[in-house]
Amino acid sequence: QVQLVESGGGVVQPGRSLRLTCAASGFTFGDYAMQWVRQTPGKGLEWVTVISFEGRDKYYADSVRGRFTISRDNSKDTLYLQMNSLRHEDTAIYYCAKWAETAARSHVDYWGQGTLVTVSS
Amino acid sequence: DIQMTQSPSTLSASVGDRVTITCRASQSISTWLAWYRQKPGKVPQALIYKASNLESEVPSRFSGSGSGTEFTLTISSLQPDDFATYYCQQYNSYPLTFGGGTRVEIK
Repeated sequence: QVQLVESGGGVVQPGRSLRLTCAASGFTFGDYAMQWVRQTPGKGLEWVTVISFEGRDKYYADSVRGRFTISRDNSKDTLYLQMNSLRHEDTAIYYCAKWAETAARSHVDYWGQGTLVTVSS
Repeated sequence: DIQMTQSPSTLSASVGDRVTITCRASQSISTWLAWYRQKPGKVPQALIYKASNLESEVPSRFSGSGSGTEFTLTISSLQPDDFATYYCQQYNSYPLTFGGGTRVEIK
């Protein structure tokens, strides 16, 4: 069965960096685009970034562009999110999510359990 | 950016009720819209994709309709499992955007 397991969250000071990792299993990782979605505890969902199946195309939300970088290693079935210059407003649960279709547009069919990032001095 | 506006933000209903949630896009997104349900303390679950297609293993009491800028999610007979928050999301163009959510609570 499909599993997405995030790690790397924690408490970090404003301005510092953190790298999140999502280990995927149960499907052919290299066939699907992957994305990160975040959720402030008790609030709504915010799309963060997406990476194409081969890693060539990447798109970002305005709120993180220039600070966050998405990447993937298809040989290791792993997705990454490098977060630099962190701000208080980046505090959220970060979910790794798999696209349902191997197409240019798709919804998400699987989500990880999430990892909490807290930006606090 | 495409703004997604859901209404209502909160809805009180009883088991067995027919419930409708609306999602409006600030510009046309064709039918590139998904609906997700998030139960308290759980991760989101896809219900509907491409506006009206039922995701695998999702009960048939859920249905979606619409195109362009106006979309609806209907639950034909609300079950205890359905008291949750519902989100629409457009995937027509980047940045992808979610609606603000509709919380369905017990009346």
